[in-house]
Amino acid sequence: GQQVQQSPASLVLQEGENAELQCSFSISTNQVQWFYQRPGGRLIGLSYIPGMKPTGKQTSSTVTKGRHSSLTISSSQTTDSGTYFCVAMDSNYQLIWGSGTKLIIKP
Amino acid sequence: DTTVKQNPRYKLARVGKPVNLICSQTMNHDTMYWYQKKPNQAPKLLLFYYDKILNREADTFEKFQSSRPNNSFCSLYIGSAGLEYSAMYLCASSRVLGGLYAEQFFGPGTRLTVL
Repeated sequence: GQQVQQSPASLVLQEGENAELQCSFSISTNQVQWFYQRPGGRLIGLSYIPGMKPTGKQTSSTVTKGRHSSLTISSSQTTDSGTYFCVAMDSNYQLIWGSGTKLIIKP
Repeated sequence: DTTVKQNPRYKLARVGKPVNLICSQTMNHDTMYWYQKKPNQAPKLLLFYYDKILNREADTFEKFQSSRPNNSFCSLYIGSAGLEYSAMYLCASSRVLGGLYAEQFFGPGTRLTVL
């Protein structure tokens, strides 16, 4: 079936380092959204492609014929720790979720 | 205001009893979604309303019902809760622009525990 693969599954960094999260799709799409969830918190949209500008310091891009997206968190802080989900939309308007990347930023 | 509200935030239910969860949004979004989320798993779409049209996922078709009495409110109904229904239930809304997927806004979730 259609899949969204996120990598890495988990990532541990020191505060101040840049985090790069990857998302690959089995379908070609340019409609991608990244979500962030702190433990116990709500899902928060970080970026939406196309059209929306990313919030805060996160950047996002879709490259490689619409089958790949990356989310970069620059100068990470401990408050960036949480799980990041990538969601793609296929041609039938079905939403396909990745399994998430768990990011841990150590002080 | 980009807030999606959910009530209650926590719900305790007995096996075999019904459960009704409520979601509201004031953004005039035409689409509202319900997801089920379990720990360490991605959210699972249960159903969504586009305007007054209900779309339910095939594998949850018989387990969940929903109603949308007006544009702002949407409910999720479980007729007979089972232990496997224990999860966080997330509501989201979006405006579908000309058939394109638009950004979803999520509520804080309702944590359902079935005993």
